[in-house]
Amino acid sequence: AQSVTQPDIHITVSEGASLELRCNYSYGATPYLFWYVQSPGQGLQLLLKYFSGDTLVQGIKGFEAEFKRSQSSFNLRKPSVHWSDAAEYFCAVGDTGTYKYIFGTGTRLKVLA
Amino acid sequence: SAVISQKPSRDICQRGTSLTIQCQVDSQVTMMFWYRQQPGQSLTLIATANQGSEATYESGFVIDKFPISRPNLTFSTLTVSNMSPEDSSIYLCSVLGGDTQYFGPGTRLTVL
Repeated sequence: AQSVTQPDIHITVSEGASLELRCNYSYGATPYLFWYVQSPGQGLQLLLKYFSGDTLVQGIKGFEAEFKRSQSSFNLRKPSVHWSDAAEYFCAVGDTGTYKYIFGTGTRLKVLA
Repeated sequence: SAVISQKPSRDICQRGTSLTIQCQVDSQVTMMFWYRQQPGQSLTLIATANQGSEATYESGFVIDKFPISRPNLTFSTLTVSNMSPEDSSIYLCSVLGGDTQYFGPGTRLTVL
């Protein structure tokens, strides 16, 4: 069965520090992979996505993610975090046939000034 | 990406009543989805709504409780029926653009 695991429920980093949010998935083939961000009281905004090709994908707001098939991972990174990045981050895996998504439980990011 | 709006943005309802949530998109889309996000939780897919066909519900969700309409390619409604406090959640619609889902701002529902 398909599943998505985000091992870190909460992460706190200082402004200007680097960030890595972990995401592991279980899927029978190469899935569609996504990272979304949800700010308080807001809907979900797409940060980036991976379908195929180059395993390092660039997204908005300076985020990037790397697909590692051998580790079934799709970790999100940012070299220097800004206070406005404080939000909840969701990893999702999409079924390539039905386009249904399964979301991870989310990682809440806190940024210290 | 599409611009998606939802109405209402939030509501407080009494138990036993029903609420209909509207989702409007600024372009024609084939597939729309409805999700529930319970307090402090992740998103759970309720159903997939394709224009011209009955909605397809996920396990644990039934049409009597969450009837969905999809009258055209830019609009859908989700009704939360006979509400209880356990229905207090954020309800989000999304649309499929290419191979990617784009989300509306959500409807925050509180049931007393």
